[in-house]
Amino acid sequence: EVQLVESGGGLVQPGGSLRLSCAASGFTFSGHWMHWVRQAPGKGLVWVSHINTGGSITSYAGSVKGRFTISRDNAENTLFLQMNSLRADDTAVYYCARSSFYQMDVWGQGTTVTVSS
Amino acid sequence: QSALTQPPSASGSPGQSVTISCTGTSSDVGGYNYVSWYQHHPGKAPKLMIYEVSKRPSGVPDRFSGSKSGNTASLTVSGLQAEDEADYYCSSYAGSYLYVFGTGTMVTVL
Repeated sequence: EVQLVESGGGLVQPGGSLRLSCAASGFTFSGHWMHWVRQAPGKGLVWVSHINTGGSITSYAGSVKGRFTISRDNAENTLFLQMNSLRADDTAVYYCARSSFYQMDVWGQGTTVTVSS
Repeated sequence: QSALTQPPSASGSPGQSVTISCTGTSSDVGGYNYVSWYQHHPGKAPKLMIYEVSKRPSGVPDRFSGSKSGNTASLTVSGLQAEDEADYYCSSYAGSYLYVFGTGTMVTVL
């Protein structure tokens, strides 16, 4: 079964850091670009970041550029999102999604990040 | 990147059709045929319903269809069923490996 499982969410103080993980199974992880997408409470989906198969090409939404870093470990079939200098408006459910050409065809259930003092 | 504009809500009775618009710019929706639509039931993983403007992944009912004209894409759900009640989001490639989602539309089956 094709599956993505996010982990690493939790409560963090403003200015703090958190590292999210996304474990992939049931498909050739190294053959797919991957995305992170988030949804703040009561708000819509927002694209966050994108990484190519080898990890050499990354892209970020303007709101997180310079603070978040996407990476991957193809040997461990895992996607990461390192989040630094966290702010209250980063509070959201974070989803990882598999990229199939220009669409996101498989999604995880999400992990919740709360930034609060 | 500004979010693509969708109506906040849409509704229809069972068996009726509902169409959701998604308006962007020539830098995203109008510039690429890479518009996709996602169904999201709260608390669950979003699901891909339409990709590349009008293509349906296997397993998605043919009641779901997509189109595009200029800077506006549309999703039509025909023959509404109770299980279609959900939030729907459009998304577009915006060049330079960037993507943008729509503001989301809550579909209610009356």
